[in-house]
Amino acid sequence: AQSVTQLDSHVSVSEGTPVLLRCNYSSSYSPSLFWYVQHPNKGLQLLLKYTSAATLVKGINGFEAEFKKSETSFHLTKPSAHMSDAAEYFCVVSPPSGSARQLTFGSGTQLTVLP
Amino acid sequence: EPEVTQTPSHQVTQMGQEVILRCVPISNHLYFYWYRQILGQKVEFLVSFYNNEISEKSEIFDDQFSVERPDGSNFTLKIRSTKLEDSAMYFCASRSLASGANVLTFGAGSRLTVL
Repeated sequence: AQSVTQLDSHVSVSEGTPVLLRCNYSSSYSPSLFWYVQHPNKGLQLLLKYTSAATLVKGINGFEAEFKKSETSFHLTKPSAHMSDAAEYFCVVSPPSGSARQLTFGSGTQLTVLP
Repeated sequence: EPEVTQTPSHQVTQMGQEVILRCVPISNHLYFYWYRQILGQKVEFLVSFYNNEISEKSEIFDDQFSVERPDGSNFTLKIRSTKLEDSAMYFCASRSLASGANVLTFGAGSRLTVL
C-alpha cells in the first residue's frame, strides 16, 4: 500500500525568496516519486522524478527535490521564486516500475508568488 | 514541446446525457490513459489503453464508461448516461514505449459539469 500527503494546500512566497513545498509518503517498498506542475489551462507537466538513483533530484526550471527515506519525505524546493512559478504542484508516489494505475497523487499545493 | 491536447476544455451537460471527451495524444506515444479529479479530491486512475484494447481499469470505470481510439490520432472517453457524481476534471495522458510505465504526459484536462 502507498499514500502521499502534501502538507500545505496553499503556499504563498514573495518573488525572489525560496520555495518549499512539502510532501510525505508512505510505502511498503522503495518508491518512485514525482513532482508534477499544472499551470492554468495547461497539462500536468513532469518537474522531476526520483527512481532510486541519486537522492537529490534536479528538475526543470530550477526546482529540485531530496528523497529522505528516514523522514519519508520528498520536499520540492527552489532557491528563488519567479512569478512564472505560480501554479499547482502535485506530489506523486508509485511502486518502482509501477503501472500508471499505481500512481497515487497528492491533493496538490497551490503556489502563489507575490511581486 | 509536444503536448497532449484535450477537447472540450469545459462541458456542461444534463444528467442522463451522453458525453464524449476527446484527446489527441503525442503522435509517437502508444499507451493512453484517462484520469479524473473530482473537485476537492485527488487525481484518480480510470483506465489504460494499449494496442487497441483496455490494459487496466479501476473500479470507477464501470459499464457507463468506454474508451476508443477511432482513428490514428484521437483517444476518446465516453460516458453513456451521465450522473451528477461524474462532474470532475478528466485528464488524458500518454506515454511512449521507451519511457517508464509510470512517466506520463498529461493534457490540460476537460472539466465536465453534470446538472
